[in-house]
Amino acid sequence: DTEVTQTPKHLVMGMTNKKSLKCEQHMGHRAMYWYKQKAKKPPELMFVYSYEKLSINESVPSRFSPECPNSSLLNLHLHALQPEDSALYLCASSQVADYEQYFGPGTRLTVT
Amino acid sequence: GENVEQHPSTLSVQEGDSAVIKCTYSDSASNYFPWYKQELGKRPQLIIDIRSNVGEKKDQRIAVTLNKTAKHFSLHITETQPEDSAVYFCAASKGSNYQLIWGAGTKLIIKP
Repeated sequence: DTEVTQTPKHLVMGMTNKKSLKCEQHMGHRAMYWYKQKAKKPPELMFVYSYEKLSINESVPSRFSPECPNSSLLNLHLHALQPEDSALYLCASSQVADYEQYFGPGTRLTVT
Repeated sequence: GENVEQHPSTLSVQEGDSAVIKCTYSDSASNYFPWYKQELGKRPQLIIDIRSNVGEKKDQRIAVTLNKTAKHFSLHITETQPEDSAVYFCAASKGSNYQLIWGAGTKLIIKP
């Protein structure tokens, strides 16, 4: 299984809502990533978990809260988002650092 | 910090012709250089990668060359086909650093 799955595919939320994005991989990868991608731009790294510990937080606002319950799962909890947070949120995983990152299909988030 | 520049931003070629996309990087310690293809509305997918101990790598119609002295690497696609139309991103990383530094992307258009 060389696939990273993400749910939901689409999410529309108001600025006062709380929602969560989910990501799962069963490739035995020990690094998992959250990226944000705006139209016509490269993915922008938000968080990296390595061996289930947060190793990189790219100065992301606290309204985004990551969680890694186990080596296969990664969540991104969303609260009090702004319209400018609307984007495609991509999850990825890799064996370790500087190896191929496998991306999930993404969650298209719209904040109203 | 590390910076990756990618050119051109848009490339239009006739079907069957070759396409070349170029990237330069700033950190001489970078040692891993992946290329990702992203079709409209889909996830980025690795198409080829190269490490700093190799000068060239080929996979069917796709090849990547690396010039460490000049700190640039290039993607070559031969015999282009309509399904090659997509946005291509180069990236660079170093050592045990999980962070990929991405180029801005090249939109490749294959004209029939």
